[in-house]
Amino acid sequence: GAVVSQHPSRVICKSGTSVKIECRSLDFQATTMFWYRQFPKKSLMLMATSNEGSKATYEQGVEKDKFLINHASLTLSTLTVTSAHPEDSSFYICSAKDSSLNTEAFFGQGTRLTVV
Amino acid sequence: GESVGLHLPTLSVQEGDNSIINCAYSNSASDYFIWYKQESGKGPQFIIDIRSNMDKRQGQRVTVLLNKTVKHLSLQIAATQPGDSAVYFCAENTNSGGGADGLTFGKGTHLIIQP
Repeated sequence: GAVVSQHPSRVICKSGTSVKIECRSLDFQATTMFWYRQFPKKSLMLMATSNEGSKATYEQGVEKDKFLINHASLTLSTLTVTSAHPEDSSFYICSAKDSSLNTEAFFGQGTRLTVV
Repeated sequence: GESVGLHLPTLSVQEGDNSIINCAYSNSASDYFIWYKQESGKGPQFIIDIRSNMDKRQGQRVTVLLNKTVKHLSLQIAATQPGDSAVYFCAENTNSGGGADGLTFGKGTHLIIQP
């Protein structure tokens, strides 16, 4: 299957700082990328959908000014958690797909964010 | 809102036995379903999918059954192995998996394989 790489896999930051998480499609063009959030022992919750070159579409309850998403190329999307607080600590997972193909999205390995 | 849910949070089976993990969904517009396996600290791993025009699909050691009448999905794992221990999620989507819709995930079932 196609490969989606997330970086970093783990990050610890101080409260009030911003953290950027990268999601790359390594062997296909990701016209659409999705960002999910997962709390311990919980399911994945879709945060936002981004199409290359367009503004991201956020799910209800997700603050777009807090979770900045950029999808400027067909292989890279970034999620920036701004002014992070301890409650933002979570597992963030991206997935990517080529929407011109009738295939499932491929998931990255996730990023564990801890805000101290 | 409508979402996908699971019947059991934890399922414990003996190594070598078959496992059945269930999932109920409520969105009647869903037409594409996927089962994922997630190991601790990792992203979801695709297992098998099924579209709404089918009621059964088989893969290697896995079978997915779809009952649209009662909005029920199940994953059968044959001859479970220690490596099958993980959390299993069902997920659903509209637009038959194409398009640009994100997935709605169920709550997950933790499958524990006992020696």
